[in-house]
Order: sequence, then structure tokens, then C-alpha cells
Amino acid sequence: QVQLQESGPGLVKPSETLSLTCTVSGGSISSSNYYWGWIRQPPGKALEWIGSIYHTGSTYYNPSLKSRVTISIDTSKSRFSLILTSVTAADTAVYYCARQEGAPYGGCDYWGQGTLVTVSS
Amino acid sequence: DIQMTQSPSSLSASVGDTVTITCRASQSISRYLNWYQQKPGKAPKLLISAASYLERGVPSRFSGSGSGTDFTLTIRSLQPEDFATYYCQHSYSTPITFGQGTRLEIK
Repeated sequence: QVQLQESGPGLVKPSETLSLTCTVSGGSISSSNYYWGWIRQPPGKALEWIGSIYHTGSTYYNPSLKSRVTISIDTSKSRFSLILTSVTAADTAVYYCARQEGAPYGGCDYWGQGTLVTVSS
Repeated sequence: DIQMTQSPSSLSASVGDTVTITCRASQSISRYLNWYQQKPGKAPKLLISAASYLERGVPSRFSGSGSGTDFTLTIRSLQPEDFATYYCQHSYSTPITFGQGTRLEIK
């Protein structure tokens, strides 16, 4: 059974950098069949795709966030990470990591439990 | 970006009812459409992929149909555990986008 677990600070100050890591267990992060993505959900709102990464390091970002986002992967540690710079209150959300089927725009068949990140001074 | 529009935004129904949720894409996406169920405080769960493929373990009372721009999720014989929020998501290209959600409530 594949499991994903997000980790990182739950509180970030405005203008600072949000940094989260997703650790994958129960399956290979180096599988050629899957991509690994970050999705967020502001309180009471809909889901927003942030970006995805392949085990080779190829990345795909949402244009609306591209200037502030970096996603990286460490296959030796079976984890991938999200960095979001210059955060504002609008970045307050539950952040999920997920496994995507077959493509960076594939469906998300396994999800982490999500971690709430609040942007506040 | 491809915009996904769901209707209705909320829906009240009773146990045993059949309900239908609609998702419309702003351009043709063939059958590259997924449906998720999300319960409060939980991550979304993939129910249906490729418009009509039921994911493993998902009850057969859930079904999906459609192609091009118009899609539907139907839930027959509603069970208490089905009351949740449902999202559609296209898998046609990046950036992937989700619908705004349909909240299914108990009448």
C-alpha cells in the first residue's frame, strides 16, 4: 500500500518561504508509471494544482505560481519537496502531496493526509 | 487553462436517492476526466478516471459518463457515507484544473 506523508512548518511569515517535504513509502518513487504532485486547498475552497515532478527531475508547474515554485526530488530518500517563495495570506491552505498516474496531468490515486500551512505574522 | 464548471454547487438528497452531478469543460478534453470524493478534514479520494473507469474498491453505485466537454457523475441508492463534496478534474494537459466542487448534503 502506497503511503505519502507531508512534513514541514505549519506557520510561515508573510514574504518568507514555505518549504514542505513528501515522503513516499510502500512503493517506488522511481517508478516510470507515476508522477508526483503538489495540490493545495485554501480553507473552504476548491483544489488547486501547484505542480508535478517525475523521478528524472522533470518538472511541470502551474503558470499562476511558476515564478515562486520549485519542486525537487530525492529518489535515494524516496521523497520530493515543495518550495514556495514570497508567501502571502493567499497561500494559506492545506497542502497535499499525491501520486499521479501516467502523466503530470494524470489523476491522483494516492494522497497524503494534507498539512495546513498558515501564513501569518 | 481549461476551466471546469460543476453544477449544482450544492445538492440535498435522501438516503436511497439517485443523484447526478455535472461537469463541463471549457474545451474538448476527450474522456480525460476524473472524479473525486472529499470528506471534511480528509484528502480527496479518486473515484472514477477516464470519465467512466471505476477505481478499485469503489462501489458500483457510482458511475461516470461523458466525453468532449460534458460529463456526469451518478450515484445510485445513496448511502450515508456518500454525503461529501465531489470534484471533477481534467487530465488533458497541464495545468490540471478542478471544478469548484459539489457539496452533497443529507435532506
